[in-house]
Amino acid sequence: ETGVTQSPTHLIKTRGQQVTLRCSSQSGHNTVSWYQQALGQGPQFIFQYYREEENGRGNFPPRFSGLQFPNYSSELNVNALELDDSALYLCATGTVSYEQYFGPGTRLTVT
Amino acid sequence: TQLLEQSPQFLSIQEGENLTVYCNSSSVFSSLQWYRQEPGEGPVLLVTVVTGGEVKKLKRLTFQFGDARKDSSLHITAAQTGDTGLYLCAGYRTSGTYKYIFGTGTRLKVLA
Repeated sequence: ETGVTQSPTHLIKTRGQQVTLRCSSQSGHNTVSWYQQALGQGPQFIFQYYREEENGRGNFPPRFSGLQFPNYSSELNVNALELDDSALYLCATGTVSYEQYFGPGTRLTVT
Repeated sequence: TQLLEQSPQFLSIQEGENLTVYCNSSSVFSSLQWYRQEPGEGPVLLVTVVTGGEVKKLKRLTFQFGDARKDSSLHITAAQTGDTGLYLCAGYRTSGTYKYIFGTGTRLKVLA
């Protein structure tokens, strides 16, 4: 049990719509990273937030954006959804740069 | 862009056998983590290695970080059915925007 929670568990959206996924970590975790994991593949790094500011970004377009709040929660927003955005979205939080603890993920299906 | 290659991709062995999973890259990492992931769940951190040449043991699991901090291995002794899962290595870099890079994964199945 990592103490990291994500909501919702599952989500179905239509192409072109927007989606917001949420992550809540345990107290004291000042980094949060978001990942996209397609079926059968390893997680792909989307971005990391440290003390409410973006601190690194993977190869994802600007329609993927995020927020980190003072209460240790975080959001991942995806605009103009595409079919290829269907995946498991994972957040991971931690207290030092390289230590990460993952939530259970949100399964997003875009139709 | 896949900078971390894991091998083998799939492994099916009998209970009691030993196995080694490899994680290789041309990039240098500040640290490297190993995770295990069950279907429909998030990865669970097994270990972090930081120093080149470092060896860490976690019960029947032995992790090694290469001297040049570009590669790592996971060795499991006397595998059990409970070891079944997806094993992922992940490298962390302090420079550049690609902070975390995950390997392609090794799907292990241990048969009774």
